[in-house]
Amino acid sequence: KQEVTQIPAALSVPEGENLVLNCSFTDSAIYNLQWFRQDPGKGLTSLLLIQSSQREQTSGRLNASLDKSSGRSTLYIAASQPGDSATYLCAVTLAGANSKLTFGKGITLSVRP
Amino acid sequence: GAVVSQHPSRVICKSGTSVKIECRSLDFQATTMFWYRQFPKQSLMLMATSNEGSKATYEQGVEKDKFLINHASLTLSTLTVTSAHPEDSSFYICSARPGRERQETQYFGPGTRLLVL
Repeated sequence: KQEVTQIPAALSVPEGENLVLNCSFTDSAIYNLQWFRQDPGKGLTSLLLIQSSQREQTSGRLNASLDKSSGRSTLYIAASQPGDSATYLCAVTLAGANSKLTFGKGITLSVRP
Repeated sequence: GAVVSQHPSRVICKSGTSVKIECRSLDFQATTMFWYRQFPKQSLMLMATSNEGSKATYEQGVEKDKFLINHASLTLSTLTVTSAHPEDSSFYICSARPGRERQETQYFGPGTRLLVL
């Protein structure tokens, strides 16, 4: 059974700091990996999607990397801003017939002004 | 583009009543829709997958007679929580995918907060 782990559960940093959020998964037979943002009481916004054949994806100040063999992904946020405060969820799509997304519990990020 | 809406955004009901939640894809046709449940500080858990015009596929441990899913059109799926109990109180999120291919992104709705008294 695929398990996705995100540690720590919460992180607080001062504005302007570069930071890395970690995600690990137990089964490397994934189809792709996604990072999402969730604001309190809201739905999910897809930030970056990395196919299993890719090693990284970039969008603005965000860069996500994938090391499928070791079961790890990181989300790098450059020059953090208070508006980046949210919960960041990592999810993997299993390879195989179904396309089920397995989510981690998320990392709640607080960027202090 | 790729907007998914949910209605209602918040609902409070008495124990024993049934609640219907709608999920709509506003600017695309969704062949496949997914229903998730999220408890506080927990990850999203997939409840069921529905393909337009066919029966939903439920995940292990999800009671199909309690959580009725109807995906009658390419833009609308509904989740009905029947005979709701306080333990059904949760945040329910749907997502929609334009096609059946796994590489296509799922677009998520804003969620529905259900509180059963």
